[in-house]
Amino acid sequence: DIQMTQSPSSLSASVGDRVTITCQASQGINNYLNWFQQKPGKAPKLLIYDVSNLETGVPSRFSGSVSGTHFTFTISSLQPEDFATYYCQQYDTVPFTFGPGTTVDIK
Amino acid sequence: QVQLQESGPGLVKPSETLSLTCAVSGGSINSYYWSWIRQSPGKGLEWIGHIYFTGTTEYNPSLKSRVIISVDRSKNQLSLRLTSLTSADTAVYYCARQQQLDVWGPGTTVTVSS
Repeated sequence: DIQMTQSPSSLSASVGDRVTITCQASQGINNYLNWFQQKPGKAPKLLIYDVSNLETGVPSRFSGSVSGTHFTFTISSLQPEDFATYYCQQYDTVPFTFGPGTTVDIK
Repeated sequence: QVQLQESGPGLVKPSETLSLTCAVSGGSINSYYWSWIRQSPGKGLEWIGHIYFTGTTEYNPSLKSRVIISVDRSKNQLSLRLTSLTSADTAVYYCARQQQLDVWGPGTTVTVSS
């Protein structure tokens, strides 16, 4: 299985802060990489697909990029509704696998 | 706008079989992949498998011997069957659309306990 690692596992930030989360794949995944946001008691929500494509309706403060097998997810200016857990996920090779998640909470 | 809704028993006994259904509304089940994913506190998000509307399936090898995913195009729904349940199968089960998982159901909680 392709292992997805994320860092940090959690972070504390303030409204307006720039937040960056990284995700590393254990092997190449041809940029088939999604980012999800999950709030307590809710299903994950797709924010970004194929590394950097914003899902319809998702604010432009969210973005993604890649360097090799090292993926980065950025929130340019954290908003109150952005406090949540974020997951990366590869869908290049079965079984599709998720990172362990990064929880963003209020400083 | 397409919506998904999972349904099934909330409580199942060990060694029994779990059967879940995901109803698709607001759109057709045709022309897409449909996935099942589960989430438990101990294992995070786990992809169970997916099915193309034609019936082609792929499963997580860790569950392959116990899982069957099927689609009923006449009812516009997909199903999950998981056999030989243990406490490790206790989780929230989600269905989702496409390999990008762009639309999710709200999830259904399954507890395996005697």
